[in-house]
Amino acid sequence: QVHLVESGGGVVQPGGSLRLSCAASGFSFSGFGMHWVRQAPGKGLEWVAFIRYDGSKKYYGDSVKGRFIISRDNSENTLYLQMNSLRAEDTAVYYCAKERLTGSAFDYWGQGTLVTVSS
Amino acid sequence: EVVLTQSPGTLSLSPGETATLSCRASQSVTSSYLAWYHQRPGQAPSLLIYGASSRATGIPDRFSGSGSGTDFTLTISRLEPEDFGVYYCQLYGASPYSFGQGTKLEIK
Repeated sequence: QVHLVESGGGVVQPGGSLRLSCAASGFSFSGFGMHWVRQAPGKGLEWVAFIRYDGSKKYYGDSVKGRFIISRDNSENTLYLQMNSLRAEDTAVYYCAKERLTGSAFDYWGQGTLVTVSS
Repeated sequence: EVVLTQSPGTLSLSPGETATLSCRASQSVTSSYLAWYHQRPGQAPSLLIYGASSRATGIPDRFSGSGSGTDFTLTISRLEPEDFGVYYCQLYGASPYSFGQGTKLEIK
């Protein structure tokens, strides 16, 4: 049974930093690409970042490029998202998601963690 | 960057009816990399269709995907109460992994 559990969300002031974690279980974590996707309150889905199964490739959405860093620890089966220089518009529920196969659609999602950027 | 536009914005139907949702790409895309997701209020999205027409594990055959080039369709037949919510199309396989803005399917 695949499980993805996000943590690390909370309230942070504009300009601050936060690190999200996604604990994975039930599958061979080191063999799959992983993504972060976010959803602002009442809005649609926005893709945030991708990391290849071995960490060798990383891609970012334009709105977070240069501020967010995706990483993974395959020995701990954990995905991370380091978020710096946070803005009010980064307020959202952040989901981690697993690729079905390399370069494929997202077949499992976590329950999400809420990040609120506010003074 | 390819932009995905979904229509209609909201679809009001009754259980038992058939829903037809559209996803249009701003330029021709490889159908192998088009997915559909369903999201119920307060829940994470779930994968329905990948490769434009392949059902994900456990998805009933009431759900079917079709299309190519710039026009893709998700058809849901014999609507059940649990089918209501928001549906998103997505391009994957290469960055950026864009989502459409969503179609809300509501109970009439």
